[in-house]
Formats: sequence, C-alpha cells, structure tokens
Amino acid sequence: RKEVEQDPGPFNVPEGATVAFNCTYSNSASQSFFWYRQDCRKEPKLLMSVYSSGNEDGRFTAQLNRASQYISLLIRDSKLSDSATYLCVVNPIDSSYKLIFGSGTRLLVRP
Amino acid sequence: EAGVAQSPRYKIIEKRQSVAFWCNPISGHATLYWYQQILGQGPKLLIQFQNNGVVDDSQLPKDRFSAERLKGVDSTLKIQPAKLEDSAVYLCASSLGTTGNLFTDTQYFGPGTRLTVL
Repeated sequence: RKEVEQDPGPFNVPEGATVAFNCTYSNSASQSFFWYRQDCRKEPKLLMSVYSSGNEDGRFTAQLNRASQYISLLIRDSKLSDSATYLCVVNPIDSSYKLIFGSGTRLLVRP
Repeated sequence: EAGVAQSPRYKIIEKRQSVAFWCNPISGHATLYWYQQILGQGPKLLIQFQNNGVVDDSQLPKDRFSAERLKGVDSTLKIQPAKLEDSAVYLCASSLGTTGNLFTDTQYFGPGTRLTVL
C-alpha cells in the first residue's frame, strides 16, 4: 500500500465549478499535512498547510480527518489558472523534515 | 530574494554514462533536499542534508548515486553509471531548517534538471 494515495484524475470542470480532492495516508502517526501545487513542467510549490481544525485560504479549503486518515482540498469558483496537479504531502515523523508526496491529482478547468 | 538554482536544466545521456547535477539553495537555508520525480509520480526524497551532514539517505541507490554538500551551501548529485530507469526530473529543495516546525519551515523547490537516459 502506498504511503500517500490520490486519485490521479484528471478532473475536468468548467470555470466557476466547485471541485474536491481527497487523499489518504497509511501512517496513523503522521503529524503534518500539506497541499502542493505543480504546474506542467514546473516545480512544486506550497499551496497550503492542513491544520487539525481545518483551514481556509480564499477559495481553497483544506480539511483533515485523522480518524479516517484522509485529507481533502476544496476549490470553489474554479479559475482557468487553477489548472494544475495538486500533490498531497504528509510528514510521517514529527522529528524530521521528511515529506512524502502523493502522485498528484490533475485538475483541468475549461472555459 | 533569489530562489533555488539548479543546473543544467536538461541533460541527455546514454546508459552507463555518468552525470552530475548542481544545486545552490536559498541563502541562509541550512537544509537541502534532493528529490527524484518520475513522470506521473510525486517527488521522492533521495537525500536530505542539514548543513553539510546527511540526515536521511535511506532511499538513495548508493551503488550508483552519490551526493555531497561539502561547505554546507551548494550541493552536487551524481549518477554513475546511469540506467534507463533513472530518466526523471531531479529536484533540489531547501528550507531554513532551524524552526523544527514544518508549518513554518517551508521547502522551496528549484526548477529541476530533466534527465533523459537513452
């Protein structure tokens, strides 16, 4: 079983739509969680951290469910510029900076 | 502020040849990472340095891959000899490495080196 699993997609949605991605992780002791965004042929960039209480940043909302070991990302009012691959990232050990990346979910926003 | 620099951006070699990649992290960042990203997959950590010491190299194929960060600043990653399955993007990242808190110690990635092994 992979440490971090994501639906590869692609999710093909019209502008203005709401779309949600889920990600599951296998290590119940994982401490920190993040969503990174990666544009085609570019480097990953931090989109947002995922806090235990959930957090929102503009059109983006991240949630953590420790009991079920999954993380979600909700994007409201999708823009063409949101088209990218969204990587779910987990830090399995609190004492290090190690990050485990999922394979990513591809989002295509169409006009 | 300058970001993470990597060179070369692209490299094509034949199998069994050697190749080296260079990375210069963001100034003042103590922690440096090398990742391998195969097409269709997420980045996989190869090695992590804290200053010039190795913190984690558990996923580095040590029979062919080596990395160093001699002066605690820039770093090189070498593959010798290369195999077809080494075709990937090699990403370097850096972080402050001083807070002990991943929520405040973001990893910043360089543009990567795209390696093709023929």
